[in-house]
Amino acid sequence: ETGVTQTPRHLVMGMTNKKSLKCEQHLGHNAMYWYKQSAKKPLELMFVYNFKEQTENNSVPSRFSPECPNSSHLFLHLHTLQPEDSALYLCASSQGTGVTKNTEAFFGQGTRLTVV
Amino acid sequence: GEDVEQSLFLSVREGDSSVINCTYTDSSSTYLYWYKQEPGAGLQLLTYIFSNMDMKQDQRLTVLLNKKDKHLSLRIADTQTGDSAIYFCAERDYGQNFVFGPGTRLSVLP
Repeated sequence: ETGVTQTPRHLVMGMTNKKSLKCEQHLGHNAMYWYKQSAKKPLELMFVYNFKEQTENNSVPSRFSPECPNSSHLFLHLHTLQPEDSALYLCASSQGTGVTKNTEAFFGQGTRLTVV
Repeated sequence: GEDVEQSLFLSVREGDSSVINCTYTDSSSTYLYWYKQEPGAGLQLLTYIFSNMDMKQDQRLTVLLNKKDKHLSLRIADTQTGDSAIYFCAERDYGQNFVFGPGTRLSVLP
C-alpha cells in the first residue's frame, strides 16, 4: 500500500465513450503525475501537476484531459479514444519541493484500460 | 533530451546475485531510483541514491553509482523467486520530473 489509490482498476470502453480515471493521495504531496505504460513503450510521462497547476503536458493528444481540483485528487478524462490508447495508466505523487531533499514518487496500482 | 537506458531482460538462478545496470544522460540528475513492478501492480520504490554518493547498501540491495560514466547498478544478493519482477531505473532532475528507463525483466530460475 503506497498511499496512492487509483480507480477503477480495470476499464473497458468503446471508442465513442467518455470515462474518467481517478487518483487520490492523502500523503500531503504537492505534485501529481499521470504516466502511460504499454507493452510497446516504456513509462511515458503524460502530465504533471504541482500545487494544482499543470506544469507539464508531454504532447498528449487532446482526447486525454487532466483535471486537478486539489492537491489530493487527480483525474484523467477520456473521450473518443483509439484502440492504441489501451494501456496501464499509472498515477504518482511526490512531495515535489526542494532539489536537495529526496522526494521519491509513490505510485498507485494503475488502471488497466482497454479500448474496443 | 534526457534518456535512461537499461537492458530489457536478465535471468539468474535462485541464490545467485543479480546485477541490473542502467545508464542515464542527464548530468544534472539529483537523485536516482530503483523501482520494482510486480505483475498487475504499480511501481514500488526499492531504494534511491543521492548523486553525490557512490554506494548505498540496504539489506540485500546494493546500489553503485558511477557519476563520471553516468552508470547506475542494482545488485540483489541471494536472489529469490519473489524477486522476479520488472525493475525500473529512474532519475530526477532539478525540476520535479522523473525519467524512467524501459525496465529490466528479472527472471529467477529455481
